[in-house]
This record gives sequence, structure tokens and C-alpha cells, in this order.
Amino acid sequence: KAGVTQTPRYLIKTRGQQVTLSCSPISGHRSVSWYQQTPGQGLQFLFEYFSETQRNKGNFPGRFSGRQFSNSRSEMNVSTLELGDSALYLCASSPIFGTQETQYFGPGTRLLVL
Amino acid sequence: AQKITQTQPGMFVQEKEAVTLDCTYDTSDQSYGLFWYKQPSSGEMIFLIYQGSYDEQNATEGRYSLNFQKARKSANLVISASQLGDSAMYFCAMKANSKLTFGKGITLSVRP
Repeated sequence: KAGVTQTPRYLIKTRGQQVTLSCSPISGHRSVSWYQQTPGQGLQFLFEYFSETQRNKGNFPGRFSGRQFSNSRSEMNVSTLELGDSALYLCASSPIFGTQETQYFGPGTRLLVL
Repeated sequence: AQKITQTQPGMFVQEKEAVTLDCTYDTSDQSYGLFWYKQPSSGEMIFLIYQGSYDEQNATEGRYSLNFQKARKSANLVISASQLGDSAMYFCAMKANSKLTFGKGITLSVRP
């Protein structure tokens, strides 16, 4: 079974631009979560989607948004990029929402904002 | 609110020896799950082991075992027979109320 895939793997943007990252979950998994990882803040939860609905949201500004499609693929969008948005963005999938299902992570997208 | 604490700044272990990575947690939830992930320099988070709060036995997965002490709120990871490929960052995480909270991580270096 193929793992979680994320595209693109690397991205360079300039301040003020917007970016869209994509995540395809493991086949059969319907829940997708997004995390931001930086050296200073560590791993921080962005949001979780299940059945095309956002179920949980972390403490990030409204510039960070996401969506999930009917095939469970998810995208996250960051508008008006800031230097501090430079990070590794990780996507994780699990079979269902809630409970204590293990989340399986993709390889991440490294975003550099100049 | 959930909190995961990993205080060891960096760990060194000789190849083929065992090593314990510490993790303490704090939550008011009765039902929660504890996870350990490995993150090599490539960046991908690799799931290692899971322990449910109601599991009475410590979880084991190959060379990985989780020393779960509920009363002390600790969930230490034990890696037996360390290999050079075990060199990585290790993260302890807790899932409660559908949210996964991570610790700061511990760097493990395996010496030949």
C-alpha cells in the first residue's frame, strides 16, 4: 500500500505570495491532518479534515486554510506569505477521525520564504 | 490542555547497546494514546509504537518497547540493540480529544 504523498517536496516563495500544498493520504484513509515544523516552535498542529469537513483547528492565523476533496486528498493554502512561514509542512493520514488512530506521515514539503 | 515533555537534549549510545528515551505527559483526559515517531534527517516522520491509556501491558514492536507508567505519567521508549540507522530525532506524542500533541524531540546518535 502506498504511503502518504506530498507535493511539491520543496518550494521557494517570496513574501506576500501565496502557496498551495497538496497531500494524498494512504488509500482508504479518510482523515488528513496538517502540521508545521520549525526549529523554534517544533511541531504544531494546523488542522484536521475528515469527510471534507474541518474537524479541528490549531492556533494559526486565518492566512492558513485548507480543504479536503471527496477522494480524501487535501490541500493547504497560505496566503500573504511571511518570512516566519518558512518551515517543513507535514501531512498525516489516519483511517477515521477521532479515537486514537495512528497518524501516518508523508515526507513533507519544505517551504522557504525569501 | 495536553503537554508532552522531553528534556534530554541529546543522547549517545554505542552500537548494539540499549537506550531509553524519556517522555512525560500531562492531560486531564482519561482516554488517550501515546505515540513515538522517528524523524531522520530526510524529514519524514516514521511511526514506531503506540500505547493506549487503558492498555495494561507495555507495547512492543520489534526492537522498540514502550515503558508505560501511568501513575507517573511517563511513556519512555526503549530501543534495544541500537543500529547506526537509529540515529535520528525521536518525538513522543499524545493524542487526546482527537488532537495530536508533540514533544520537542530528542536527538539520538549511535556510535559505531
